[in-house]
Amino acid sequence: AQSVTQLDSQVPVFEEAPVELRCNYSSSVSVYLFWYVQYPNQGLQLLLKYLSGSTLVESINGFEAEFNKSQTSFHLRKPSVHISDTAEYFCAVSEGYSGGSNYKLTFGKGTLLTVNP
Amino acid sequence: SQTIHQWPATLVQPVGSPLSLECTVEGTSNPNLYWYRQAAGRGLQLLFYSVGIGQISSEVPQNLSASRPQDRQFILSSKKLLLSDSGFYLCAYGTGYAYEQYFGPGTRLTVT
Repeated sequence: AQSVTQLDSQVPVFEEAPVELRCNYSSSVSVYLFWYVQYPNQGLQLLLKYLSGSTLVESINGFEAEFNKSQTSFHLRKPSVHISDTAEYFCAVSEGYSGGSNYKLTFGKGTLLTVNP
Repeated sequence: SQTIHQWPATLVQPVGSPLSLECTVEGTSNPNLYWYRQAAGRGLQLLFYSVGIGQISSEVPQNLSASRPQDRQFILSSKKLLLSDSGFYLCAYGTGYAYEQYFGPGTRLTVT
């Protein structure tokens, strides 16, 4: 069975500093990886995804994540954060169609990123 | 374009009362539909998913049930709410040919 570990439950940083949110997964098959962002009292928004191809994927607001198969990781990075990046970030993994599971996602417990002025 | 709606946005219910939360999707046909519960500090818990009308799979045995009376409608219900049912309930859909899911705005349920 697949699992996702987000190593940090909270990450406080100062504005304009770089940040890395760590995500490791466990799976016996090929996986598809996602990062979601959740602002207070809102649903989750898809931030970026890795399905195949280039192991480095980017979002429109400056975040990037790199798929590392040997380390089973999919860490999220941003070189310079803004106050508006304050939110909870969830890493998720899918093994795709598997015996009727039909694209179920397994989520990590989330990392609360707090950007301070 | 595809959109997903949930209502109500917030709900305060007494213990023992019934529950009905509704989710609808627009702009796509035959979506996979999902209900999640989010408790503080505990991430997302998949409750139910559905791959078609009348087809419901339960992930966690509990006080809740789900139904899919129409292709793009997904309902979460309970006959008698417990205090432990409090939380943030999220509906999501997948298009069947993509692996990601798209989430609704959520319903904040407080059981008193």
